[in-house]
Parts: sequence; C-alpha cells; structure tokens
Amino acid sequence: AQSVTQLGSHVSVSEGALVLLRCNYSSSVPPYLFWYVQYPNQGLQLLLKYTTGATLVKGINGFEAEFKKSETSFHLTKPSAHMSDAAEYFCAVSKNTGNQFYFGTGTSLTVIP
Amino acid sequence: DSGVTQTPKHLITATGQRVTLRCSPRSGDLSVYWYQQSLDQGLQFLIQYYNGEERAKGNILERFSAQQFPDLHSELNLSSLELGDSALYFCASSVGLTLDEQFFGPGTRLTVL
Repeated sequence: AQSVTQLGSHVSVSEGALVLLRCNYSSSVPPYLFWYVQYPNQGLQLLLKYTTGATLVKGINGFEAEFKKSETSFHLTKPSAHMSDAAEYFCAVSKNTGNQFYFGTGTSLTVIP
Repeated sequence: DSGVTQTPKHLITATGQRVTLRCSPRSGDLSVYWYQQSLDQGLQFLIQYYNGEERAKGNILERFSAQQFPDLHSELNLSSLELGDSALYFCASSVGLTLDEQFFGPGTRLTVL
C-alpha cells in the first residue's frame, strides 16, 4: 500500500523567504514522486517529478525537490517566495507501473508581503 | 490552458438525480483519469481509462460509472446523488500508461441540494 503525508495543511512565508513544503511517503517499492500546484479555481499543474536518476529535481517557477530514500521524503523548496506562489500544493506518489496516483491532502501556501 | 476540456463548468442538481460529466483529453492523449476533490476527502483518484478500456480503479462508488469512447472523450456518470457527492470533479489526461505527466482540466463543480 502506498500513502502520502503532507505535514502542515497551511504554511505562511514572507515574500522573499525560503519555502519548504514537506512530503513523506510510504511505499513497498521505490515510488515515483510528484509535486502539483493548484491555483484558485484551476486544475492541477505539474511542478516537478522524480522517477529515476538524480535525486535533486528542478521544476518550474524556481521550485525543486530532493528525493531522500532513507527519510522517505520528497520535500519541495524554493529559495525565495513570490506572491504568485500562493496556491495549494499537492504531493503525489505512484507505483513504477501504471499511472494510478495517490495524492496527499495538500498544503496551502500563503505568501505575506 | 492544459488542453483538457471539461463540461459543464458548474452543475447544480438535487438529491437522487443523475448527472453526466464530460471530458475531452488533450489531442494525442490516450489515458483519461477522473478525480474527486472535496474539503473532507481531499483529492481522490476515481478511475482511469486507456484507449477505451478501464485500467485502474480507485475510490469510486458503485453509484458512479465512467466510460471512454472511441474518440477518446470520457464521461463520468453519477447517479442517486447524495449531498456528500458535492465536490469538484477533475479529469486529467496523459499520453500513455507509463509515468507521463497528467494534464488536468479546469474541473466541474457539482452541487447537490
């Protein structure tokens, strides 16, 4: 069985500050990991994904995430928050076969001017 | 714009009724996924179709059914609606069955009164 845990349903940061959104997974096999962003009244958009290879993954809008197998984590970071980063962020995990996704409960990011 | 279209955008209906949600995938995408997003359940995977065939099933109720047609558009049928079925229903599409990026539509907001 697979599951995804996102610690902190709401995160607030000041504009220009570091963004850190946490994601831990449980999986019986090495999973594929994803971060999606959802802006208000919109569908989800892929930020980045880890399948194999380099454990530090760079995505769109300056975000990156590091796969740490020993910690079963895939935390999302951005060095400097921008007002436009305010959105809901979802971590997701999938088995390495098929395309069935398991999403975390989401973290709402607020950026304070 | 992800290229995935969903109709209608909003749907208001009464308990006990039946509704059909429609999704057109991106051009060239063979896989279609349906998700339900609600405040209490979060984002839940419902079902996946690939080239007209059901490939994966998630937390889909027996009152719900879906199909993918030869032109690859998909419909999600919700019957005997209950108040708790009020949610945002997303469709996503991807090229194939491997870990391709899923592109999400804007969603259909269903309100059951």
